[in-house]
Amino acid sequence: GQQVMQIPQYQHVQEGEDFTTYCNSSTTLSNIQWYKQRPGGHPVFLIQLVKSGEVKKQKRLTFQFGEAKKNSSLHITATQTTDVGTYFCAGPEVRVQGAQKLVFGQGTRLTINP
Amino acid sequence: DAGVIQSPRHEVTEMGQEVTLRCKPISGHDYLFWYRQTMMRGLELLIYFNNNVPIDDSGMPEDRFSAKMPNASFSTLKIQPSEPRDSAVYFCASSFSAYNSPLHFGNGTRLTVT
Repeated sequence: GQQVMQIPQYQHVQEGEDFTTYCNSSTTLSNIQWYKQRPGGHPVFLIQLVKSGEVKKQKRLTFQFGEAKKNSSLHITATQTTDVGTYFCAGPEVRVQGAQKLVFGQGTRLTINP
Repeated sequence: DAGVIQSPRHEVTEMGQEVTLRCKPISGHDYLFWYRQTMMRGLELLIYFNNNVPIDDSGMPEDRFSAKMPNASFSTLKIQPSEPRDSAVYFCASSFSAYNSPLHFGNGTRLTVT
């Protein structure tokens, strides 16, 4: 089945440094979603990208969807301690038959040294 | 809107006991999902429903797991008999779609089987 791979698995940065996580799919995605899970919390939806080459920004967060719609990235500028958590990408599983469903990447766990 | 409501928040039980996890989705959402999260396996989709009908249960580990959705506002995930390897955080989520609308997660149930 389709896999959504995320790298890196872990990232530790100093507060104020930038952070990027990458998401790669083995197949073309109709859309991709990003979620954030704080330690001890539940995943919270951040954004959905649909168009090839799409770039969206949320304050210090920049989300990109690749031209081929097989990869995506999340970039955080000047990290703050509130950015700590695990970031997941998720994309639809492509099926010849049967219902589609969302497949989550393994997540990138971000820790920050204040 | 209160969001997705799960109960209990924590459950500690002995091996062999029956465990029932409960979920109330967001009103108006046609899709309900049950996920399991562990360090080793990440976020796994166990089963999802559309309009109270199970659509994909391919993620249910084995016959010890069962899920029901008797009406649009309530779902249960039952494990009988429970085993230590079932220890995990179980999330319920609801959405307007299976894969192209945001998933709204509940706070989760942390299950410990001793």
